Amino acid sequence: EIVLTQSPGTLSLSPGERATLSCRASQSVSSSYLAWYQQKPGQAPRLLIYGASSRATGIPDRFSGSGSGTDFTLAISRLEPEDFAVYYCQQYGSSPPWTFGQGTKVEIK
Amino acid sequence: QVQLQESGPGLVKPSETLSLTCSVSGDSISGFFWSWIRQPPGKGLEWIGYIHSTGSPFYNPSFKSRLTISVDTSKNHFSLKLTSVTAADTAVYYCARYGCDGGKCYFFDHWGQGILVTVSS
Repeated sequence: EIVLTQSPGTLSLSPGERATLSCRASQSVSSSYLAWYQQKPGQAPRLLIYGASSRATGIPDRFSGSGSGTDFTLAISRLEPEDFAVYYCQQYGSSPPWTFGQGTKVEIK
Repeated sequence: QVQLQESGPGLVKPSETLSLTCSVSGDSISGFFWSWIRQPPGKGLEWIGYIHSTGSPFYNPSFKSRLTISVDTSKNHFSLKLTSVTAADTAVYYCARYGCDGGKCYFFDHWGQGILVTVSS
């Protein structure tokens, strides 16, 4: 099983600042089959990024993903009030289970 | 725009079977992979398993002995049955559709709103 470790656990930032979230895998994630999701309280997760760096439909370009192998990053260039939420990475490896990271909470400083 | 809606009991007794259905509207269930994911209160996400519209399920090994996922294309829905539940199975259960890129389906591009299932006597 591939374990995804996200850091930091909580990120305290102000609107307009840049956020950088990390997702590290215990084994290489094949072909960059890695996705990022945003979840707000009481809501289902929303797909932001797939293939490590491709934005999903309707996702603003302030969201960007990068990385390969075992190290991946989600960046939010300028935080908007609606961006304060919990973010999860998710991998699709060569065998199940396909796992999620434990999440990074981006909170208002 | 495809929409997913979970339904089923919100309360299940310990040792009994948890049964949920995900109804799909706005698109056909055929030709896609469909998944169940859960989230214990205040915790992270756990992938449970998936099924293709042709009826081939694949389960998280953690659940394999207790889990059945099935699909009914005539009703445009798929279902989850989890037997011998305990308090540890208390969670919000989401159904989701797999998105595909480059011929590989590996991320979740549409989600239901989720249903809280509590296991308690």
